[in-house]
Amino acid sequence: AQKITQTQPGMFVQEKEAVTLDCTYDTSDPSYGLFWYKQPSSGEMIFLIYQGSYDQQNATEGRYSLNFQKARKSANLVISASQLGDSAMYFCAMRVNTGNQFYFGTGTSLTVIP
Amino acid sequence: DGGITQSPKYLFRKEGQNVTLSCEQNLNHDAMYWYRQDPGQGLRLIYYSQIVNDFQKGDIAEGYSVSREKKESFPLTVTSAQKNPTAFYLCASTSQSSYNEQFFGPGTRLTVL
Repeated sequence: AQKITQTQPGMFVQEKEAVTLDCTYDTSDPSYGLFWYKQPSSGEMIFLIYQGSYDQQNATEGRYSLNFQKARKSANLVISASQLGDSAMYFCAMRVNTGNQFYFGTGTSLTVIP
Repeated sequence: DGGITQSPKYLFRKEGQNVTLSCEQNLNHDAMYWYRQDPGQGLRLIYYSQIVNDFQKGDIAEGYSVSREKKESFPLTVTSAQKNPTAFYLCASTSQSSYNEQFFGPGTRLTVL
């Protein structure tokens, strides 16, 4: 069975500081993809970053980077230089290549403090 | 602009009524999905479809039905059998050639009175 775990229901970070949002996953499939999404209060889901299980390097997209530790089955999101607009819910998700379903964690609520 | 549209954004219905949520995409994506999100929780898969005229149940399909008569459309019907239908519903799609991103619509917030 596939599972995504986000253990931080809520996080606070000072503006301009970096923050790490935790995500662990469980799958027996050797080929999979890991995703992070941002959901502001408006409800839309915004894709942030993707990491493939065979990617050698950690993914980066602007201020977002994914700290991928395959042996530990973790895929933490690092947001550098936090901005007030980063305040939102953040979801980690996984897709295994043997199926077409995406599995989502329960999310982490991030609040950026001025 | 390519994307996914869901209508309406807010929907109110009386208990016992069926209601259909619209989802249309012009991305030429093969796979489409419906998720339900309850306050403070993650996304749970209701149904998904990989090709026209085919769909599979997700984790919480009871009380819901879907159709996929056209590639660009994947409507969701919330039936009176759904015990607690008040929730936020998100539609998404992906390309068969690249599952590296799942695109989402803006969502429909359904309230059953």
